[in-house]
Amino acid sequence: EAGVAQSPRYKIIEKRQSVAFWCNPISGHATLYWYQQILGQGPKLLIQFQNNGVVDDSQLPKDRFSAERLKGVDSTLKIQPAKLEDSAVYLCASSLSSVQFFGPGTRLTVL
Amino acid sequence: GDSVTQMEGPVTLSEEAFLTINCTYTATGYPSLFWYVQYPGEGLQLLLKATKADDKGSNKGFEATYRKETTSFHLEKGSVQVSDSAVYFCALGENAGGTSYGKLTFGQGTILTVHP
Repeated sequence: EAGVAQSPRYKIIEKRQSVAFWCNPISGHATLYWYQQILGQGPKLLIQFQNNGVVDDSQLPKDRFSAERLKGVDSTLKIQPAKLEDSAVYLCASSLSSVQFFGPGTRLTVL
Repeated sequence: GDSVTQMEGPVTLSEEAFLTINCTYTATGYPSLFWYVQYPGEGLQLLLKATKADDKGSNKGFEATYRKETTSFHLEKGSVQVSDSAVYFCALGENAGGTSYGKLTFGQGTILTVHP
């Protein structure tokens, strides 16, 4: 069974630029999550989707971050404009039950 | 809100030593508890889980017991190997009811290094 796919794996941008990350969850998983993991910390939820609807986006900085899951499968997370403090690993996870399966993450460096 | 506190790291052990990584939590309701592991260069993987009080999760020689009275979920292994070197995360999962599951709240992670 294929795992959660994410791309790109690495991205370096300058502050005030925009960036987008893509996630393809495990087939059949209705729930999709985006987490931000800052170096030395545990992951923190940014947004949770159930199919193509948003369940929880209370921690998403909506002035600069946006996410969508239009057809209830793939998802895109966008940052515009990026700030230095956005440097982190962005993790996508999907689930069918209480267990979440994580992708390899996208490491973002904002200069 | 919900929170998870892990013991300060990093932890350095010799092969075959006994391992304990402490984890305590604060939560409303009846959460599920998890240990995830991140090996060098790899993504987060589920190590073990427990869904209710007094449950014991186990996998690959690791164990953790869900203790509601002490709000703890300490990770233990009787004899560590070099291949266990990784970052270990304790996490709390919301039970949103029915078939819906909420976010995971993670601790800060504990780096484990095992020397031969």
